[in-house]
Amino acid sequence: EIVLTQSPATLSLSPGERATLSCRASQSVSSYLAWYQQKPGQAPRLLIYDTSNRATGIPARFSGSGSGTDFTLTISSLEPEDFAVYYCQQRIKWPITFGQGTRLEIK
Amino acid sequence: QVHLVESGGGVVQPGGSLGLSCAASGFTFSTHGMHWVRQAPGKGLEWVAFIRFDGSDEYYADSVQGRFTISRDNSKNTLYLQMISLRAEDTAVYFCAKELKIASTSTSPFDYWGQGTLVTVSS
Repeated sequence: EIVLTQSPATLSLSPGERATLSCRASQSVSSYLAWYQQKPGQAPRLLIYDTSNRATGIPARFSGSGSGTDFTLTISSLEPEDFAVYYCQQRIKWPITFGQGTRLEIK
Repeated sequence: QVHLVESGGGVVQPGGSLGLSCAASGFTFSTHGMHWVRQAPGKGLEWVAFIRFDGSDEYYADSVQGRFTISRDNSKNTLYLQMISLRAEDTAVYFCAKELKIASTSTSPFDYWGQGTLVTVSS
């Protein structure tokens, strides 16, 4: 199966700062990489799909980039509601897999 | 708007069985692939199973293959997950999730999720 490794495990930043989250795949996933946000007690929410496409209603401060095995989620200027856990996901090959998550916490 | 509501969770003994349902509304259920994803307490997301929009194809995680069965009733707008031979490591919140794209011949991202139902496997 394709293993997705996210880094860092925890990212401590302040509102207004720029966040850069990484996801590395054990083999190429082409552009079939998505990012989800999950807050405590809530279901995950789709942010970015196919590397760089923002899902409906997602603010422009969220952007995705990368290809092949290395991907990045960038939040240009953190808002208080952005502090959450973020997961990457690949769908090019069964089984679908998720990264272990990056916790974005308030510094 | 889209709503996915899971039900059927509860406490079951190791080796037992349980069936989950996911009632869908607000979209044309019969044109979207559907998934089950689980999350053990304090852990990350684990994909469990997929069924194509017309029920013609299914895929399972290795950890549940042979024990879990995904199905759907498009006339009732409902997704199911039948679980047998349950183990302690199956303890998790189970989410159903809808695919973004219509009638996808592969898979597509998960654009809506239910709130989940908790399954606890314990004696």
